[in-house]
Amino acid sequence: EDKVVQSPLSLVVHEGDTVTLNCSYEVTNFRSLLWYKQEKKAPTFLFMLTSSGIEKKSGRLSSILDKKELFSILNITATQTGDSAIYLCAVDSNYQLIWGAGTKLIIKP
Amino acid sequence: KAGVTQTPRYLIKTRGQQVTLSCSPISGHRSVSWYQQTPGQGLQFLFEYFSETQRNKGNFPGRFSGRQFSNSRSEMNVSTLELGDSALYLCASSPLPDRVINEQYFGPGTRLTVT
Repeated sequence: EDKVVQSPLSLVVHEGDTVTLNCSYEVTNFRSLLWYKQEKKAPTFLFMLTSSGIEKKSGRLSSILDKKELFSILNITATQTGDSAIYLCAVDSNYQLIWGAGTKLIIKP
Repeated sequence: KAGVTQTPRYLIKTRGQQVTLSCSPISGHRSVSWYQQTPGQGLQFLFEYFSETQRNKGNFPGRFSGRQFSNSRSEMNVSTLELGDSALYLCASSPLPDRVINEQYFGPGTRLTVT
């Protein structure tokens, strides 16, 4: 059965800290891995990763994929209170997104 | 461009009833996917429609059904509601015509509570 596991499930850090969120997967037909940020209701797209070792970067956020070890990490540097959210990882397997349970990130001022 | 809209935003139903939720995708988007989100299970894929055809379906019982209209608007229906159906139902639309998952644009969701 396809599954995506995120860790940690929740994380509390102080503003300015750097955090690393993890996403591991076991799927039958990997096509891509996606990261989303969910603040109030609707998840918003962050990154899509398809190739190993190529870092995607957007401001203070970056992500990388390891297709050999079947995981991805999402890094956030110099965290701000606005980064508080649930970060979701999803894997496209056979044109269907399999979602992790998410990491709830709380940034304390 | 207007985003994905979902109606209603909140709904309270009793066990055994049925419910219909509506989703209007971003103009020009023809792919619509539905997800159920609960605190314990996270986001789970229900089904995906493209050009009025269901292309993919998740592991949900037959009580969950959907359809898409010629204007790409989609509805999902849940019959014989159970307490466990209480969840946030999210709809997402995608602009890509072929079977490539990229950015999905999510609506605000419909919060369904079954009592």
